[in-house]
Amino acid sequence: AQTVTQSQPEMSVQEAETVTLSCTYDTSESDYYLFWYKQPPSRQMILVIRQEAYKQQNATENRFSVNFQKAAKSFSLKISDSQLGDAAMYFCAYSQNTGFQKLVFGTGTRLLVSP
Amino acid sequence: GAVVSQHPSWVICKSGTSVKIECRSLDFQATTMFWYRQFPKQSLMLMATSNEGSKATYEQGVEKDKFLINHASLTLSTLTVTSAHPEDSSFYICSAITTGPRKFFGPGTRLTVL
Repeated sequence: AQTVTQSQPEMSVQEAETVTLSCTYDTSESDYYLFWYKQPPSRQMILVIRQEAYKQQNATENRFSVNFQKAAKSFSLKISDSQLGDAAMYFCAYSQNTGFQKLVFGTGTRLLVSP
Repeated sequence: GAVVSQHPSWVICKSGTSVKIECRSLDFQATTMFWYRQFPKQSLMLMATSNEGSKATYEQGVEKDKFLINHASLTLSTLTVTSAHPEDSSFYICSAITTGPRKFFGPGTRLTVL
């Protein structure tokens, strides 16, 4: 069974600074998708970024980028120029090659952003 | 963008009663919807996959007779928690897939069983 591990229960960052959230996963599949979701206090899950395992290039979305290390099964999220609105729970998630099907979530990292 | 709604957003019920939660895709047709459960300060756990017009596929450990799922149309899936007990109190979140594929989550339903 696939598992997703987030070893940082909570992280803090100051506005305009950069923070990296860690995620490791375990799978025997070669083709899969990885995601980072944001869950603000409203509890609405918001997709931040996704990465297809067959792509070597790291995905980027504006201030958000990932460091995907397939051999190490590592998938970290870097948030640059942090903003107060980035404060939320961040979940790393895995899906098999069909993409966006069953998601296996990590335990989450709470990101605190201070002025 | 695509929108998924859930109703109700919060429900309180007495132990032993049944509660129905609706999940609707408002501006797209969703052949597949998913139901997740999130306990306080914990992650989302997939309960079941719901396909329009067919029986839902439940994850291991999820009681299908307790959590009844009906995906009667391409825009509506319902989750009924039967004979609810306090341990069923949780946050229930649905999601739906549209073309792309892209996946959208509903805003969730907080269930409190007294």
